[in-house]
Amino acid sequence: AQSVTQLDSQVPVFEEAPVELRCNYSSSVSVYLFWYVQYPNQGLQLLLKYLSGSTLVKGINGFEAEFNKSQTSFHLRKPSVHISDTAEYFCAVTNRDDKIIFGKGTRLHILP
Amino acid sequence: DGGITQSPKYLFRKEGQNVTLSCEQNLNHDAMYWYRQDPGQGLRLIYYSQIVNDFQKGDIAEGYSVSREKKESFPLTVTSAQKNPTAFYLCASSYTNTGELFFGEGSRLTVL
Repeated sequence: AQSVTQLDSQVPVFEEAPVELRCNYSSSVSVYLFWYVQYPNQGLQLLLKYLSGSTLVKGINGFEAEFNKSQTSFHLRKPSVHISDTAEYFCAVTNRDDKIIFGKGTRLHILP
Repeated sequence: DGGITQSPKYLFRKEGQNVTLSCEQNLNHDAMYWYRQDPGQGLRLIYYSQIVNDFQKGDIAEGYSVSREKKESFPLTVTSAQKNPTAFYLCASSYTNTGELFFGEGSRLTVL
């Protein structure tokens, strides 16, 4: 069975500082990996995805993530955050034959 | 514009009443999903459907029912059997087996 662990429930970061949101997964087969962002009282929107190929994936709003198969991780990074990045971020995993599994989310708080 | 429309955005109901949440998509997606979101618990799958006139239970289907009579529509009924129905409900759709989900804006149900 697949599972996703987001290691931090909340991450406070000063504006213009770098940030890393951590995600580890478990699966016995090849996976597809995703990061979604949710702004308050809205649905989720896709930030980026890894399906195959290059392990460094670039997404919208300056975010990127690196797929590390040996460490079963897919951490999300941004070199300089802005106040508008305040949101909840969800890591998700699936394979071709199973439903998508979400982590419990990480709240990113941007401090002025 | 293509997308997913959920209605209503906010809904208040008395205990013991059934409630139906609407979800319509014009993305021509085969698969549709209903998730429940509670603070700190991530997204939990209620029901999903990969084809018209067929649907499967997710992880927390008890107290909920769905139908899929048209490709575009996947309404969710929260029945009086659901013990704790107050939550944020998210509808999503996807092309089957890609794993990438497109979400609606959500419906917040409060049972008084």
